[in-house]
Amino acid sequence: QSVLTQPPSVSAAPGQKVTISCSGSSSNIGNKYVSWYQQLPGTVPKLLIYENNKRPSGIPDRFSGSKSGTSATLGITGLQTGDEADYYCGTWDSSLSTYVFGTGTKVTVL
Amino acid sequence: EVQLVESGGGLVQPGGSLRLSCAASGFTFSTYNMNWVRQAPGKGLEWVSYISGGSGTIYYADSVKGRFTISRDNAKNSLYLQMNSLRDDDTAVYYCARASGSYFDFWGQGTLVTVSS
Repeated sequence: QSVLTQPPSVSAAPGQKVTISCSGSSSNIGNKYVSWYQQLPGTVPKLLIYENNKRPSGIPDRFSGSKSGTSATLGITGLQTGDEADYYCGTWDSSLSTYVFGTGTKVTVL
Repeated sequence: EVQLVESGGGLVQPGGSLRLSCAASGFTFSTYNMNWVRQAPGKGLEWVSYISGGSGTIYYADSVKGRFTISRDNAKNSLYLQMNSLRDDDTAVYYCARASGSYFDFWGQGTLVTVSS
């Protein structure tokens, strides 16, 4: 049972925008950096966003991250068919002394 | 180029043991904390264990505590996961992942562990 809650799925037409929420608590998102991972079908997870809102080299600026209180959000603008994937938030939990991943969100491009 | 290559997966009976390895290259292995993350078939990501660069700090998920042991050999640029008392629900692809601060910036291709009689 993950301590970070995400919607199971989101969808939008090509070119549109989607947002994915990640809800946690004061022991994780509330005082730790959040990262986001993209897992394309049949592939290895890839770092998408780190330290709440930073993008690794090579990640387009269509992807953005933000954090407020005990929640974080991933935004994807200009949606493309190649963005169809599972997305996971993640952070450390200071109470559990463990890393925690979100429940995962499947993005579908209509 | 950073590379992480896992090995050691396979089919094992419930109650059995398996040792996973992760060979690292392309970076100074001893200066990075490392993790194991697993993904059961059709399920989400589950963090398994963490080990600091010098092996002084180790953490485990409750689901594996007391059964799995993480270790590393910095001279061999290798990370290990000794898995004992394996259960059906340990069936998953196991990834090693490099930690850069609070995030995992590089992942291996994974090795499949199947626990079944």
